[in-house]
Amino acid sequence: AQKVTQTQTSISVVEKTTVTMDCVYETRDSSYFLFWYKQTASGEIVFLIRQDSYKKENATVGHYSLNFQKPKSSIGLIITATQIEDSAVYFCAMREEDTNTGKLTFGDGTVLTVKP
Amino acid sequence: EAAVTQSPRNKVAVTGGKVTLSCNQTNNHNNMYWYRQDTGHGLRLIHYSYGAGSTEKGDIPDGYKASRPSQENFSLILELATPSQTSVYFCASGDVGWEQYFGPGTRLTVL
Repeated sequence: AQKVTQTQTSISVVEKTTVTMDCVYETRDSSYFLFWYKQTASGEIVFLIRQDSYKKENATVGHYSLNFQKPKSSIGLIITATQIEDSAVYFCAMREEDTNTGKLTFGDGTVLTVKP
Repeated sequence: EAAVTQSPRNKVAVTGGKVTLSCNQTNNHNNMYWYRQDTGHGLRLIHYSYGAGSTEKGDIPDGYKASRPSQENFSLILELATPSQTSVYFCASGDVGWEQYFGPGTRLTVL
């Protein structure tokens, strides 16, 4: 069964610095999809960025980028030039390709606090 | 932009009562999903649907039923609510291979 683990329960950084959040996953599939979501204080869950396992290039969207290390089954989220409003809970999720369901398996999340 | 709405946003129910949570999406996505989120944890899949008329069990379906009467609507039904079902419930829609879009969540308290 697939499993997603986020070992960092919480991280605190100073505004305008760079932060990396870790995520490791377990899967028997050779092809899969990895996602990062952000949950704001209001509870809203927003999609941030995805990485397809067959792509070697790390995905980048705005000030979010990924550090995809396939041999280590690792997908880190990097946020550069952090802002106060980046404070939220960040979830890593995975979908295996051999399912037509689109089912996602989520990690337990990392709480990010960005301080002035 | 993707639009998924849920009702009610908050619900207090009594043990043994029936609860229905509703979800509507205007994205024309085939797939819809119901998750629950417990404090300090990620989301866990309860039921999902491929399209109107279909429902499938997710990872934690016990105690829940689902109904997909149309492309736009997907309901989660608790026939006999229990305190252990107190949680925040999220609905999502998405097409296979693409990201899912989430509703704002429903906070359910079962007394």
